[in-house]
Amino acid sequence: KAGVTQTPRYLIKTRGQQVTLSCSPISGHRSVSWYQQTPGQGLQFLFEYFSETQRNKGNFPGRFSGRQFSNSRSEMNVSTLELGDSALYLCASSLRSTNEKLFFGSGTQLSVL
Amino acid sequence: AQKITQTQPGMFVQEKEAVTLDCTYDTSDPSYGLFWYKQPSSGEMIFLIYQGSYDQQNATEGRYSLNFQKARKSANLVISASQLGDSAMYFCAMREPGNQFYFGTGTSLTVIP
Repeated sequence: KAGVTQTPRYLIKTRGQQVTLSCSPISGHRSVSWYQQTPGQGLQFLFEYFSETQRNKGNFPGRFSGRQFSNSRSEMNVSTLELGDSALYLCASSLRSTNEKLFFGSGTQLSVL
Repeated sequence: AQKITQTQPGMFVQEKEAVTLDCTYDTSDPSYGLFWYKQPSSGEMIFLIYQGSYDQQNATEGRYSLNFQKARKSANLVISASQLGDSAMYFCAMREPGNQFYFGTGTSLTVIP
């Protein structure tokens, strides 16, 4: 069974641009969540989707948005990029949205210049 | 208040020795799950071990065990017989039902040959 797939692996953008990151969960998994990881900050929760509905949202500005499609694939969009958005963005999936372990993708390393 | 606190930014351990990574958590929900993840330099998060709040016994998975002290809200990870491949970042996480995952800031473990 294929793992969680995130594309692209690396991305370089300039301030003011927008970016879309993609995540394909493990087959059969209906919950997808996104995290931002920066050095020393650990993982900051962005949002979680379950069956195309946003279930939880972290404390990020409205420039960060996401969605989930009927096949459980998810996209995350960041508009008007700022230097501080440079980070590793991790996507994780689980079978349901309960006390289950998360399976993570390898992440998308975003650099904003 | 921080939901997950990891007070050890960095730890060193001699190969073949045991090491304990500290984690304390904060919740008023009687039902929750505690998780430990490993993140090697490659970036992917790897699930290590899970402890449910109602579990009577400490969780164990091979060389990993979780020292669960509910009254102290402590969930320390014990790695026995450390190996060079254990060098990585380790994250403690918690989830309350219907809520997001909360991660600590991580502990960087270095295994010395």
